[in-house]
Amino acid sequence: EAQVTQNPRYLITVTGKKLTVTCSQNMNHEYMSWYRQDPGLGLRQIYYSMNVEVTDKGDVPEGYKVSRKEKRNFPLILESPSPNQTSLYFCASSLNFGGETYNEQFFGPGTRLTVL
Amino acid sequence: SQQGEEDPQALSIQEGENATMNCSYKTSINNLQWYRQNSGRGLVHLILIRSNEREKHSGRLRVTLDTSKKSSSLLITASRAADTASYFCATDAYSSASKIIFGSGTRLSIRP
Repeated sequence: EAQVTQNPRYLITVTGKKLTVTCSQNMNHEYMSWYRQDPGLGLRQIYYSMNVEVTDKGDVPEGYKVSRKEKRNFPLILESPSPNQTSLYFCASSLNFGGETYNEQFFGPGTRLTVL
Repeated sequence: SQQGEEDPQALSIQEGENATMNCSYKTSINNLQWYRQNSGRGLVHLILIRSNEREKHSGRLRVTLDTSKKSSSLLITASRAADTASYFCATDAYSSASKIIFGSGTRLSIRP
């Protein structure tokens, strides 16, 4: 089944404790992206990746890191989480997005993160 | 920065009626997409419309795009209880065409 998976689905952690949220897609998509969703603010893009080893900042990259070493995986790293990073996080992938080609995004189920 | 702003923020209609949601954006775009989200779940893609298109249909969904007014509308005809969800528009940021900006969404409730 074609899908985007995220792990963990729920995480409660404390300020400053490094964490990684994994994202994996099995559709051979080139484009992957991370979003956070906060009440009243919709989704805001954190980072995106056009392809392996190519990443770029979205609207709210501060406090986050990403890497794209393989096409299928796009982990989100919080080196030193803070309470203002408490949010619902979504990973998404698309065959292509940019240049001449735009395709739909497929979203993962979300990761609810609480930073105490 | 938010590119797309949906209007209204919330909409409640009777089952069977049509629902119209609007999205306005600020800069030139290459494409605009509409997504649906059921409470706290992942988003589901509905329709993508390119900047050179004016209208697209998919089942009970009709999307229009007016680039001169920088606006789009999503029409859901003959609404059903299962259409209850939040609806978001998303655009690329023209100057950075692979960046995606979402609006804050319209919460649609269908009354039985």
